Amino acid sequence: AQSVSQHNHHVILSEAASLELGCNYSYGGTVNLFWYVQYPGQHLQLLLKYFSGDPLVKGIKGFEAEFIKSKFSFNLRKPSVQWSDTAEYFCAVTPGRNAGNMLTFGGGTRLMVKP
Amino acid sequence: GAVVSQHPSRVICKSGTSVKIECRSLDFQATTMFWYRQFPKQSLMLMATSNEGSKATYEQGVEKDKFLINHASLTLSTLTVTSAHPEDSSFYICSARDRNRPTSEAFFGQGTRLTVV
Repeated sequence: AQSVSQHNHHVILSEAASLELGCNYSYGGTVNLFWYVQYPGQHLQLLLKYFSGDPLVKGIKGFEAEFIKSKFSFNLRKPSVQWSDTAEYFCAVTPGRNAGNMLTFGGGTRLMVKP
Repeated sequence: GAVVSQHPSRVICKSGTSVKIECRSLDFQATTMFWYRQFPKQSLMLMATSNEGSKATYEQGVEKDKFLINHASLTLSTLTVTSAHPEDSSFYICSARDRNRPTSEAFFGQGTRLTVV
């Protein structure tokens, strides 16, 4: 069975710092990759997704992620975080060519940005 | 487009009672919906896959008699937590796949926070 690992469980940054959240998955075939954000008390929102093509994908709110197939990684980045980025971030994977299949989620990374 | 609505958003029930959670795709038809559960400070775990007009497929460890899933139409799936206990308190989230966009991602509802007292 596939698994998704997020290495950092908690991250604390100051505003304007750069962010990189790690995500690795274990599946050898074609994958569809997602990053979701969950603000305190709110529901999941899709930040960005990768299905195919350019491995560097840009999402909403200035986030981007890079798919590195050889490393089975899909790390999330943002050059300069804001206090409003405080949230929990989930990496998720679904295998195959159908991106609408069930997702396997990573354990989540709780980001706190200090003003 | 692609809106999924869950109802209720929050529910508190007494131990031993049953609670029904609805998941609706508002502007598309969904032959497949997924139900996830998120315990406090944990990640989302898939509970079951709901298929319109047929039985749901449950993940290992999820009791099908306790978590009843009905997907009677192309826009509605329901999850009923029967004989709820405090340990069932969790955040339940559904997602739905657009039957006309089979390669697109599934879309999430806003979730239902269940508290069993």
